[in-house]
Amino acid sequence: ETGVTQSPTHLIKTRGQQVTLRCSSQSGHNTVSWYQQALGQGPQFIFQYYREEENGRGNFPPRFSGLQFPNYSSELNVNALELDDSALYLCASRQHGQMNTEAFFGQGTRLTVV
Amino acid sequence: AQSVTQPDIHITVSEGASLELRCNYSYGATPYLFWYVQSPGQGLQLLLKYFSGDTLVQGIKGFEAEFKRSQSSFNLRKPSVHWSDAAEYFCAVFSGSARQLTFGSGTQLTVLP
Repeated sequence: ETGVTQSPTHLIKTRGQQVTLRCSSQSGHNTVSWYQQALGQGPQFIFQYYREEENGRGNFPPRFSGLQFPNYSSELNVNALELDDSALYLCASRQHGQMNTEAFFGQGTRLTVV
Repeated sequence: AQSVTQPDIHITVSEGASLELRCNYSYGATPYLFWYVQSPGQGLQLLLKYFSGDTLVQGIKGFEAEFKRSQSSFNLRKPSVHWSDAAEYFCAVFSGSARQLTFGSGTQLTVLP
């Protein structure tokens, strides 16, 4: 059983650029969520994908978007990067519909915007 | 909207001492509660969870937590802390309707030799 994997591990971008982060869900999990964790903070929910559609969203602007693919992997895209977007981005997967199933997290992608 | 409060930003204990990390939540329905641990530069690892039933739940690494509905609390405990327990600890509540985990701001644990 493979866990949640994210790529890249680290990334440096310039303000105004666009970035794509990738996540492979744990085997058997069909729901993927993304979280942003700023330095010294707890993770903040960005959105969730199930059946290739966004079905839950936190308080993030539209320049944060995502995709889910038929194999349940997912991408997080951020356009027009701002300095405040610098954070650890965490992906989590779980099996939809089973409330007793906890979310499993990847190691994260550390994004630095300069 | 749900929320989680972890009142202690930083706790320092000596190795072998007992530990209690506090967590208070606000949620309108029966809460699904979690404790996660995060080592520097790492993702989150689940320590334990509460969904229903016995209010004292056991987790990995010798941790346990007690759910107290009357106090809206879910405190994490360990009888004897090891140096490897030094990390940041996050309490979280899951909202099925919002499809999200809401995390507290975390408690940084330092363990003295």
